Amino acid sequence: DSGVTQTPKHLITATGQRVTLRCSPRSGDLSVYWYQQSLDQGLQFLIQYYNGEERAKGNILERFSAQQFPDLHSELNLSSLELGDSALYFCASSVEIFPGAIDEQFFGPGTRLTVL
Amino acid sequence: AQTVTQSQPEMSVQEAETVTLSCTYDTSESDYYLFWYKQPPSRQMILVIRQEAYKQQNATENRFSVNFQKAAKSFSLKISDSQLGDAAMYFCAYNYGGSQGNLIFGKGTKLSVKP
Repeated sequence: DSGVTQTPKHLITATGQRVTLRCSPRSGDLSVYWYQQSLDQGLQFLIQYYNGEERAKGNILERFSAQQFPDLHSELNLSSLELGDSALYFCASSVEIFPGAIDEQFFGPGTRLTVL
Repeated sequence: AQTVTQSQPEMSVQEAETVTLSCTYDTSESDYYLFWYKQPPSRQMILVIRQEAYKQQNATENRFSVNFQKAAKSFSLKISDSQLGDAAMYFCAYNYGGSQGNLIFGKGTKLSVKP
């Protein structure tokens, strides 16, 4: 158990819908990362938040957005869902004792999203 | 841009034998970290081993060790005394921190362990 929790574990929805994935980082970790794992694209970085603020963006679609709340949990919002959005979405957290520090990232169990 | 390449989509090893998974990366940074993650059928991402680029000594964790060649930008993983539980996808990952602290992953190597 990494200490990072993600809900829900599985999500099945239809095209055009909107879903919210939730992540609670390890206690004390300030950084949260979101990654998407799909068969064709592999593991791709989506977005990072550090202590409530957006730090870095990767290959995140405009239909996707995220935020980190004062209690440091994070949510990833996916809207206007398409078949190609079906993937495993991971949240990871790290302590990052100062901005830019390289620390181990601990991964949650992931949310499996299926868009029908 | 930094890239990570794993040239072996699949590998197979006999139980109790040794196997080496390859990884190369491209970066212009001098200070960075490299990681190997294991993803078993449960899909959980598990950190196997990490290597700081400024350290010349290769990292080891029990049966897992790396061969880090900084000049060649090579970072291979050696698994000794392979066990059935080692069967999984293995991902090589790079991170240089700074303003972009995310991991950059290779495509992965699927390791099978034969009894």
